[in-house]
Amino acid sequence: DTGVSQDPRHKITKRGQNVTFRCDPISEHNRLYWYRQTLGQGPEFLTYFQNEAQLEKSRLLSDRFSAERPKGSFSTLEIQRTEQGDSAMYLCASSLGGGTGFYYEQYFGPGTRLTVT
Amino acid sequence: AQKITQTQPGMFVQEKEAVTLDCTYDTSDPSYGLFWYKQPSSGEMIFLIYQGSYDQQNATEGRYSLNFQKARKSANLVISASQLGDSAMYFCAMRHKNKLVFGAGTILRVKS
Repeated sequence: DTGVSQDPRHKITKRGQNVTFRCDPISEHNRLYWYRQTLGQGPEFLTYFQNEAQLEKSRLLSDRFSAERPKGSFSTLEIQRTEQGDSAMYLCASSLGGGTGFYYEQYFGPGTRLTVT
Repeated sequence: AQKITQTQPGMFVQEKEAVTLDCTYDTSDPSYGLFWYKQPSSGEMIFLIYQGSYDQQNATEGRYSLNFQKARKSANLVISASQLGDSAMYFCAMRHKNKLVFGAGTILRVKS
């Protein structure tokens, strides 16, 4: 399977605990994106990387959230001191990219569903 | 600000018939792209079709076509010959800089 993969697929945690999710993009893709999707809504952009550089962060990404992409390959999204409002599906996507004025299609992974109790 | 509006929370269609899912958008950028994604119950977002703002013809991909009306700022998805496997959530999205802005989605149910 050469698509975007995410791990774990499901995570249940207690409020106040830290959680970390992993995303493995399509191997030749240099851009990686994180989105959050709450029940009944469309995905909302959180952040994106080009290679190892984090180029944009949404205001949705509070100080409790941190994302990394060491060596420009896989990425991790950590949520510290989880709150019930963090319960959502966290989607990762990857694409080619880099040229100005040109957009490449984003390919999405299956998501990690987080439940904070 | 970029915004996508999908006014149909849910739609039903009879198997083998065509269905149109509505999408309107708002942007001040002269160059933009519009996408439709399908999200089955498994959760994965599946790309269906893309329309660029400067494309002269409406995009088509198999049973999917995009009815692009630039003056009305609408980009409706038409699914022809509906199949039971088309039952899913459908999202319209717009490219804004390096990210996608999504609408709230329309859930489609295909009846046999």
